[in-house]
Amino acid sequence: DTEVTQTPKHLVMGMTNKKSLKCEQHMGHRAMYWYKQKAKKPPELMFVYSYEKLSINESVPSRFSPECPNSSLLNLHLHALQPEDSALYLCASSQPGQGAHEQYFGPGTRLTVT
Amino acid sequence: EDQVTQSPEALRLQEGESSSLNCSYTVSGLRGLFWYRQDPGKGPEFLFTLYSAGEEKEKERLKATLTKKESFLHITAPKPEDSATYLCAVQGSNYQLIWGAGTKLIIKP
Repeated sequence: DTEVTQTPKHLVMGMTNKKSLKCEQHMGHRAMYWYKQKAKKPPELMFVYSYEKLSINESVPSRFSPECPNSSLLNLHLHALQPEDSALYLCASSQPGQGAHEQYFGPGTRLTVT
Repeated sequence: EDQVTQSPEALRLQEGESSSLNCSYTVSGLRGLFWYRQDPGKGPEFLFTLYSAGEEKEKERLKATLTKKESFLHITAPKPEDSATYLCAVQGSNYQLIWGAGTKLIIKP
């Protein structure tokens, strides 16, 4: 059983829609991540939260808005997306800090923008 | 510049045919090297963390090793269910992960 869950599994949205992706972890981790993954490519880091505070934003367009309501939850709010934003969106969690901490990934949300 | 290169891009083996996947890296101040397995349309599954040269870790048919320049993922007597993309990532002095492009492993019954 995965301890990082993501909803929904699939999402189809138009370019004018507003939607949210949700992630929950039950591992007691205090660092959480959003990644974007295109087909046949490795994950690409978007955002990092450490102790519920945004610590890294990898120059992601403002149409993606992250939120960390508490230590277990991570949201990604989507607005006015483009077709090229279609991808697998992955949430991950780990212990915080600059040591080598393995990240545990959720199953992902497959996003299609029409 | 920190960089991770995985080879081969794809590897086709018969069931039971052992082989190795390579992950070469250049990074300042290696903090850790990670191996993940990813099935199509799913999130990466953590396999191993290696911290220093000479370290080895095993899990079922998989064994990961680390030198100062590369890591190998050895697969012994693989089964069709071992088919997946195997990803390598390193963490240097900047704590962000640097990912390789992955090796797609196909095990034929």
